Amino acid sequence: SQTIHQWPATLVQPVGSPLSLECTVEGTSNPNLYWYRQAAGRGLQLLFYSVGIGQISSEVPQNLSASRPQDRQFILSSKKLLLSDSGFYLCATASDSYNEKLFFGSGTQLSVL
Amino acid sequence: LAKTTQPISMDSYEGQEVNITCSHNNIATNDYITWYQQFPSQGPRFIIQGYKTKVTNEVASLFIPADRKSSTLSLPRVSLSDTAVYYCLVGDPISSGSARQLTFGSGTQLTVLP
Repeated sequence: SQTIHQWPATLVQPVGSPLSLECTVEGTSNPNLYWYRQAAGRGLQLLFYSVGIGQISSEVPQNLSASRPQDRQFILSSKKLLLSDSGFYLCATASDSYNEKLFFGSGTQLSVL
Repeated sequence: LAKTTQPISMDSYEGQEVNITCSHNNIATNDYITWYQQFPSQGPRFIIQGYKTKVTNEVASLFIPADRKSSTLSLPRVSLSDTAVYYCLVGDPISSGSARQLTFGSGTQLTVLP
């Protein structure tokens, strides 16, 4: 079965500071990977997705970026955080079986102050 | 891209059956319908998935009419621990571009009362 490791669980960063969130996946190969963000009391917003190493697609233009240096590693970054970047960040992977399901990590609660 | 519409919130009492309906008028031929449950400060958890008619597992049932423009998640005999946000997701699990279609709607906040 698939396991998603996401860290850190909680992060407090000042405005203008850089960001790096890492997600690694076990138990699958060549997965589709996703970064979602959830603002307080809101639904999930798809930020980035990747279908393979070095392949990144952005759903929402913003000051965030993503990279996939290895098959099972997905990184979310920012050079300068904004207050509006605060939220709950979730990494997810989709199975490559016929009935595709999303499996989520435990998430990172980011507060930009 | 199929858009989904769900009620913002629902209240129920313990022991009752709860039905949450999702509208997806623009669902495509290859799209499956998937429901997720999310508790506060946790990632969504897969509940059930279906393509047509009825699907049942140990947690819930999913009813999909013939036109597939809506679906209903049915939770039998809910308990307080079923209080959560429930999301309906429509997407194609087969095509290589399926990643673009795994977009969540606003979800339904289900509150189970004692």
